[in-house]
Amino acid sequence: IQMTQSPSPLSASVGDRVTITCQASQDVTNSVNWYQQKPGKAPQLLIFDVSNSAAGVPSRFSGGGSGTDFTLTIAGLQPEDIATYYCQQSVDLPFTFGPGTKVDFK
Amino acid sequence: EVQLVESGGDLVQPGGSLRLSCASSGFSFSEYEMNWVRQAPGKGLEWISHISSVDTTVYYADSVEGRFTIFRDTATSSLHLQMNSLRAEDTAVYYCVRGSHCVYGNCFRRDFDLWGQGTLVTVSS
Repeated sequence: IQMTQSPSPLSASVGDRVTITCQASQDVTNSVNWYQQKPGKAPQLLIFDVSNSAAGVPSRFSGGGSGTDFTLTIAGLQPEDIATYYCQQSVDLPFTFGPGTKVDFK
Repeated sequence: EVQLVESGGDLVQPGGSLRLSCASSGFSFSEYEMNWVRQAPGKGLEWISHISSVDTTVYYADSVEGRFTIFRDTATSSLHLQMNSLRAEDTAVYYCVRGSHCVYGNCFRRDFDLWGQGTLVTVSS
């Protein structure tokens, strides 16, 4: 299963509402997860099973979608949100990741 | 503290071998499926291997099939990756990652909720 993401990169301003899209090459039901990776750090789980927030994740992060099309939304971009975001399908091995969306400031 | 700590990364020549280890703590290691994910310099994430919790069934990405072996040691709550016939394209940071929680044959969630800090493998002459 191939995962694609858009846009990349994504430039925005503090306070902007930001949406990243992820598309799967086939139906992955609700098995899509999102990870945040800051420079020099390991990735961290943000959202699992499309729309469930991992522990400690700020409420401005939300996920949605179904089937083959999914979104990650940041409602009010903060300076600490500058990172690369990856979607991943976990419906079937290999658990493929998208190519990543780098979010930075304009 | 719930954590994963990798070790074993090094500079190795093409064709050489290396074994990575991942020490777990703070959770019931035997109840979790485990994975290795790698990231080449400046590139994205690549899942490379998975091992189940119950019957130690293993899976590999095509890029490492036949060269890498994943195994786990329940006695020491550790995960390992034996890497043989290393190539320049195997140069990456390797992450040990926790997967599904499985109890009495039932597995819950398939996301990767816990990552180690990573260990760097460099394949170069």
